[in-house]
Amino acid sequence: LAKTTQPISMDSYEGQEVNITCSHNNIATNDYITWYQQFPSQGPRFIIQGYKTKVTNEVASLFIPADRKSSTLSLPRVSLSDTAVYYCLVGGPNAGNMLTFGGGTRLMVKP
Amino acid sequence: DAGVIQSPRHEVTEMGQEVTLRCKPISGHNSLFWYRQTMMRGLELLIYFNNNVPIDDSGMPEDRFSAKMPNASFSTLKIQPSEPRDSAVYFCASSSPGLALQFFGPGTRLTVL
Repeated sequence: LAKTTQPISMDSYEGQEVNITCSHNNIATNDYITWYQQFPSQGPRFIIQGYKTKVTNEVASLFIPADRKSSTLSLPRVSLSDTAVYYCLVGGPNAGNMLTFGGGTRLMVKP
Repeated sequence: DAGVIQSPRHEVTEMGQEVTLRCKPISGHNSLFWYRQTMMRGLELLIYFNNNVPIDDSGMPEDRFSAKMPNASFSTLKIQPSEPRDSAVYFCASSSPGLALQFFGPGTRLTVL
C-alpha cells in the first residue's frame, strides 16, 4: 500500500482558502486518492476522491498533477466548523479497498 | 440507508471483563473493517473481512482480541480479558465492490478501568 505524507497541522482563519498537500510517491496505477475528514468523537467522513486532474464537489476540490505523486485538497472559504483532522489516503479496489490511515493534518480555523 | 451502525456507543468496564462490540455494515457492502483509534497510535486497522471471510488480521494486537462475521449484516469484535490499555475508540467501516473508499460508523468509545 502506498504511503502518504502530509503536514501534521495547519492554521487558518475564517473565510480563507486552505490547501493541504499530500505526497504519495509510490502510488500505483490503479490507486485512487481519497480524502477524509474527522471531527472529534466521530468517525472519518469521506470528502472527495479522484484519480487524475481535478475533481470538485460541493465541499472541496482535489487537484492531482499528471505524475499523481502528490495531491492537494482545497477547501474554499473555511469556517470554524471546518476545524478537523484531514486524512489523505491512496488505494484501490485491487487492494480489496484496503486503506492505511496516516497521522492526518490537524486543521485549526480561527475566527 | 442508515449507514454503518455500531453498538454500544460507549462502554465502561473493569479490567478482566469480556467486551463485545457490534457492527452492522451498510446493506450491499461486502467488505468490513475494524479500526482502533488512540491519541498515541492514531487510526489502526485491526482486521478486514471480505464476503464474511477474514482476509487480514495482522493488526489484531494479541490473542485477547477476536472478530467474527457470521453473516453479511453483522460483525463482532471481542476482547477477553480486557485491559486498561485497550481503552480507545473502535470504528467499524464497510465498503462496496469496486469502490476505493470506506464508510465509517460512529464508533464505540471503550474505557477499561
